[in-house]
Amino acid sequence: DTGVSQNPRHKITKRGQNVTFRCDPISEHNRLYWYRQTLGQGPEFLTYFQNEAQLEKSRLLSDRFSAERPKGSFSTLEIQRTEQGDSAMYLCASSLDTGAEAFFGQGTRLTVV
Amino acid sequence: GNSVTQMEGPVTLSEEAFLTINCTYTATGYPSLFWYVQYPGEGLQLLLKATKADDKGSNKGFEATYRKETTSFHLEKGSVQVSDSAVYFCALSQRTSGTYKYIFGTGTRLKVLA
Repeated sequence: DTGVSQNPRHKITKRGQNVTFRCDPISEHNRLYWYRQTLGQGPEFLTYFQNEAQLEKSRLLSDRFSAERPKGSFSTLEIQRTEQGDSAMYLCASSLDTGAEAFFGQGTRLTVV
Repeated sequence: GNSVTQMEGPVTLSEEAFLTINCTYTATGYPSLFWYVQYPGEGLQLLLKATKADDKGSNKGFEATYRKETTSFHLEKGSVQVSDSAVYFCALSQRTSGTYKYIFGTGTRLKVLA
């Protein structure tokens, strides 16, 4: 297994456009997380899936954000009507049900101009 | 709520110097504790972990001991190299409200000079 994969690595978009990111977790991992990281800060929790069920969403996840994990495999994070404040690194991570550590992808860097 | 506090950086050291990056946490019960490392433009890589009190995690010359009595998980390395220059994040995970979540500190930038 090659680890957690995120696409695209970089995305530049104009304010007001919609963007979608994809995350492919490690294949046997049931848990999937999305985090956001801004410059000089630690990752901030956005949302969590166990299999296909979205079990928790952060207050950071406004109604412009939506995440899915159909069939409990890959996940997508969509941001509608992007704003400049959405510019950040979006990180995906996965872990086993009984495992303690999360494995992160390389992230998608979003720049809203 | 649960939280992680790290010493502020940047930390600048000469090659072969001793490294300590302090990390303390606030949590109920017994969280698992981690150190992650992030290189420029990359995601986070797990460096080491400890899942119960008095456990010592170690990897690539780095060590950290889970101290329940002081709620700390300080990262140490006896002799740093230029290639260790990166940002280091302390984190905890704990089951709260039925879900596991990872909570990170703000990170400590390490710069090692040749």
